[in-house]
Amino acid sequence: NAGVMQNPRHLVRRRGQEARLRCSPMKGHSHVYWYRQLPEEGLKFMVYLQKENIIDESGMPKERFSAEFPKEGPSILRIQQVVRGDSAAYFCASSITGYYNEQFFGPGTRLTVL
Amino acid sequence: SQQGEEDPQALSIQEGENATMNCSYKTSINNLQWYRQNSGRGLVHLILIRSNEREKHSGRLRVTLDTSKKSSSLLITASRAADTASYFCATDADSGGGADGLTFGKGTHLIIQP
Repeated sequence: NAGVMQNPRHLVRRRGQEARLRCSPMKGHSHVYWYRQLPEEGLKFMVYLQKENIIDESGMPKERFSAEFPKEGPSILRIQQVVRGDSAAYFCASSITGYYNEQFFGPGTRLTVL
Repeated sequence: SQQGEEDPQALSIQEGENATMNCSYKTSINNLQWYRQNSGRGLVHLILIRSNEREKHSGRLRVTLDTSKKSSSLLITASRAADTASYFCATDADSGGGADGLTFGKGTHLIIQP
C-alpha cells in the first residue's frame, strides 16, 4: 500500500525556468491538495483538486502557478518563470473524501531556485 | 495570531518526560489534526479530533479540544529521542462547504534530550 508519492524529491531551477512537480495520491484517493512550506514557516494551502477539476485555488498565486489532476496520471503543480521567492518545499496530500477528511501527505518536493 | 498557531515555538525536555504542545485557532472548525514533521521529511498524520469530541488517545498521544476556547493540546507521554520533530496543528475550517485545504500553524519544534 504505497503512500502519497511525489517526484522529484529535489528540484533545482534557474530563474526564468519552469518547474513541474508531480504527485501520485494514495490508491483509491481522488482528492489532492497542494501546500507550500516556506523556510521557517508552516504550510500554506495552495489548491484543492479532484479528478479533472479544480475545486478551490484560493491559495494559488495569480500568476505563473497552475495545477491539474488529469483523469489518468499524477497531479501536476507547474510553476512558470520561477523566481528565487519560489524556493520552498511543496507538499501534496490526498484524501478519500473531500469533507471531514484525513489528509495523507507525501514527502514533499524541495524546489531551489538559483 | 493566525489560525492554527502552536505554542510554544520550541520545547526541549529530557527523555522520559511528558511534552505538551498547544494550538489556538480563530474560526469555527470541522476538525483539528496534529502532524509531525521530522527534519527534511514530509508530514506524518498523528491524530484527528472532530469538533464534537473533547479528547482522543492514540498510543502515547493524547489530544484535547476545547471549542469554547478555540484551543487544542497535544500531550506526548514518556517521550523518546525519536519524538524529536516539529509538530503542527491543522484546522479544517467550517466554511459551509468551501475549501477543504487545511490551515497550518508554524509548528512547535520538540527536542528530546537523551
